[in-house]
Amino acid sequence: DTAVSQTPKYLVTQMGNDKSIKCEQNLGHDTMYWYKQDSKKFLKIMFSYNNKELIINETVPNRFSPKSPDKAHLNLHINSLELGDSAVYFCASSQAGQGGSPLHFGNGTRLTVT
Amino acid sequence: GQQVMQIPQYQHVQEGEDFTTYCNSSTTLSNIQWYKQRPGGHPVFLIQLVKSGEVKKQKRLTFQFGEAKKNSSLHITATQTTDVGTYFCAGWDFNKFYFGSGTKLNVKP
Repeated sequence: DTAVSQTPKYLVTQMGNDKSIKCEQNLGHDTMYWYKQDSKKFLKIMFSYNNKELIINETVPNRFSPKSPDKAHLNLHINSLELGDSAVYFCASSQAGQGGSPLHFGNGTRLTVT
Repeated sequence: GQQVMQIPQYQHVQEGEDFTTYCNSSTTLSNIQWYKQRPGGHPVFLIQLVKSGEVKKQKRLTFQFGEAKKNSSLHITATQTTDVGTYFCAGWDFNKFYFGSGTKLNVKP
């Protein structure tokens, strides 16, 4: 019944490793996002996809690569993990790329890089 | 670039006291949304304001959008322990949301 689900919930890994986070939404939304929330709770957009096409790519290191196989899925792959990548990553979706649509967030993935 | 500032950063209140958080944008916004994030949880949409000077109420929560559409506020009357969490505003400009830094509310019973 979950609207936006992401896995895993927790991810603990060592520096230099590569990891992926998966996200799926069953709301029929056209747009999906990845947000990063740091230890100070700042929510910063990383990427946005509209119907499988990348529409927002903020200043994110190219070690981060999103992939959207279809409009219901948006995965995030991170290469060569660094300590500073430790954060909570939220997937979200909205009805369209317009500002009138609320964001529906997943439960988050807490990434800890040691 | 676009900035959305939110104050205060923290607010500690006694249960029953009122609470207000303020959001200010460096530019005019198309609309503004408010979210609540419980400790350990994810942001949950509360409301959206679109019109200049708009005021909306949800039970004990009152939301306002400034006349110039550059600021907004959330006021909670008679806080309860269930109000604990971080409140974020999010302004829409061009094609993305700009989140405020959040106000963490703690309510002492």
